[in-house]
Amino acid sequence: AQKVTQAQTEISVVEKEDVTLDCVYETRDTTYYLFWYKQPPSGELVFLIRRNSFDEQNEISGRYSWNFQKSTSSFNFTITASQVVDSAVYFCALSEVGGSEKLVFGKGTKLTVNP
Amino acid sequence: DADVTQTPRNRITKTGKRIMLECSQTKGHDRMYWYRQDPGLGLQLIYYSFDVKDINKGEISDGYSVSRQAQAKFSLSLESAIPNQTALYFCATSSGTDYYNEQFFGPGTRLTVL
Repeated sequence: AQKVTQAQTEISVVEKEDVTLDCVYETRDTTYYLFWYKQPPSGELVFLIRRNSFDEQNEISGRYSWNFQKSTSSFNFTITASQVVDSAVYFCALSEVGGSEKLVFGKGTKLTVNP
Repeated sequence: DADVTQTPRNRITKTGKRIMLECSQTKGHDRMYWYRQDPGLGLQLIYYSFDVKDINKGEISDGYSVSRQAQAKFSLSLESAIPNQTALYFCATSSGTDYYNEQFFGPGTRLTVL
């Protein structure tokens, strides 16, 4: 069965600090897709990034960067120079291939950035 | 206009009442999903549909039913609501042909059962 673990339930940082959100996944599929979503206090899910299992290149988008390592089954997310607006719950998710092709979500990490 | 819409956005109801949550999409996608989010538990799949005639149960379908009225519409019903169905409900769509199996989410419906 597929599983996504976000071991950090809550993280609190001071503005301008860098912060890394961990994501470890389990799957027996050789082809799979990974995602990160942001859920601000308003509740909607905001798509941040997607990655397929064959592309281990790290990605940077502004203050956001992602480190995908198949050897450790991890897909970690780093926010550089955090801002108060980054405060949200962040979810890592794994897309099942075949069957329902549902998204399997981690339980989320609540990030609070204090001024 | 949003590609995936959900109505209502917020609903308070009483135990035992029947309630329907509606989802509409303009993305032209065949696949639609209903997820439930409980605090601290992430999202779990309730039902999914690959087309109008194909509806399947997800992980937590007990107490729920669905209807796929058209390609663009997928409704979730609680036949007799109970307090532990209080949650945030999301509808999602996907094309089924997208390389990443990406799903597009609606804004969510916050349901409270008293």
